[in-house]
Amino acid sequence: GQNIDQPTEMTATEGAIVQINCTYQTSGFNGLFWYQQHAGEAPTFLSYNVLDGLEEKGRFSSFLSRSKGYSYLLLKELQMKDSASYLCAATDSNYQLIWGAGTKLIIKP
Amino acid sequence: ETGVTQTPRHLVMGMTNKKSLKCEQHLGHNAMYWYKQSAKKPLELMFVYNFKEQTENNSVPSRFSPECPNSSHLFLHLHTLQPEDSALYLCASSPTGGGRASDTQYFGPGTRLTVL
Repeated sequence: GQNIDQPTEMTATEGAIVQINCTYQTSGFNGLFWYQQHAGEAPTFLSYNVLDGLEEKGRFSSFLSRSKGYSYLLLKELQMKDSASYLCAATDSNYQLIWGAGTKLIIKP
Repeated sequence: ETGVTQTPRHLVMGMTNKKSLKCEQHLGHNAMYWYKQSAKKPLELMFVYNFKEQTENNSVPSRFSPECPNSSHLFLHLHTLQPEDSALYLCASSPTGGGRASDTQYFGPGTRLTVL
């Protein structure tokens, strides 16, 4: 079966760095997305990786290892507004998105 | 208006009611999606429309009925729902509707549905 695993909840301190991991098992693979979702709001696109390596966008970076079926989202210089759920989704061979249940990130002052 | 909008934002209905959810996208996209989001569960894809044609129906009960009159509008008609159907219903759109790995989906804010 197809499956995405990510931690249910994480806590970090304002100004610190946090890494949210995601492992995936899909029938084929055509890339991995990260989305951010604040409570009561729409998920918003953060990143897309299809090649191995690290992609950096400001304070946020996303990493992919296709051989390990593994990705992480790295958030630096955490701000209170980064408190949200982070959704990982992998694209299978049929270009269908397989979603994780999301990681709720709590930022403490 | 920009992006993807959904109405209503909140809906409470009884099991015998009939209601409709509306989604509109202002991005010029060709594909639209309905998802169900329940607490601590992955997003569940319900329906996909590509150029107004339904391309996915993921074993959704017939009490949910989608309608896509054009590429910008999507409806979800609800009737005789069950309490377990209470969830956040999200609409999304994307440029090409699959077939491209980088086809990014853009979401609306959702309708919080409560079935009594």
